Amino acid sequence: QVQLQESGPGLVKPSQTLSLTCTISGGSVTSGNFYWGWIRQSAGKGLEWIGHIHTSGNTNYNLSHGSRVTISVGTSKNEFSLKLTSVTAADTAVYYCARARAVTLRYFDYWGQGRLVTVSS
Amino acid sequence: EIMLTQSPGTLSLSPGESATLSCRASQSVSSSYFAWYQQKSGQAPRLLIYASFARATGIPDRFIGSGSGTDFTLTISRLEPEDFAVYYCQLFGSGDSSWTFGQGTKVEIK
Repeated sequence: QVQLQESGPGLVKPSQTLSLTCTISGGSVTSGNFYWGWIRQSAGKGLEWIGHIHTSGNTNYNLSHGSRVTISVGTSKNEFSLKLTSVTAADTAVYYCARARAVTLRYFDYWGQGRLVTVSS
Repeated sequence: EIMLTQSPGTLSLSPGESATLSCRASQSVSSSYFAWYQQKSGQAPRLLIYASFARATGIPDRFIGSGSGTDFTLTISRLEPEDFAVYYCQLFGSGDSSWTFGQGTKVEIK
């Protein structure tokens, strides 16, 4: 059974960098054929895909964030991280990490519980 | 970029009734890349339906997914109290390897 857990600061100052880590139990970022993604949800709003890293190491990002987003494998193979630079209040949201199938079908089957990040001075 | 439009925004129904939720894509998409999620307040989304009609593990058979091309439907027959939640459709865009979610449909108790 795969489990995901987000961690990182819950408060980030404007213009600084938001950094979150997703720790995987029961799996590894580099094994199998999966996408490991970040999705966020602002208060009362819908789900927004931020980006993902594939088992191969390839990344794809939501173009709406320009070059602010970086997703990478963590220091251990059961972690991947999100960095979002130059944050503003609009980046305040619950951030979820999730795993998606990358073979034949595409859907997110495992999700973390979410991490609320508030951007405020 | 393919857009997903869900309707209605809110559905007010009573337990025992049926719910019909719609998700329309701005262009024809692959059913293999289409899914539905349920989200309850304060919780992460939960996968309900993948590949347009296949139920995820543990999902009751009152949840029925259908559709192809541009029009997809989630039908919930005989609403149970635990079914009142927000539902999102999702698409994977193979052209640019991106993910899109609909804006959600809230199913509330009437």
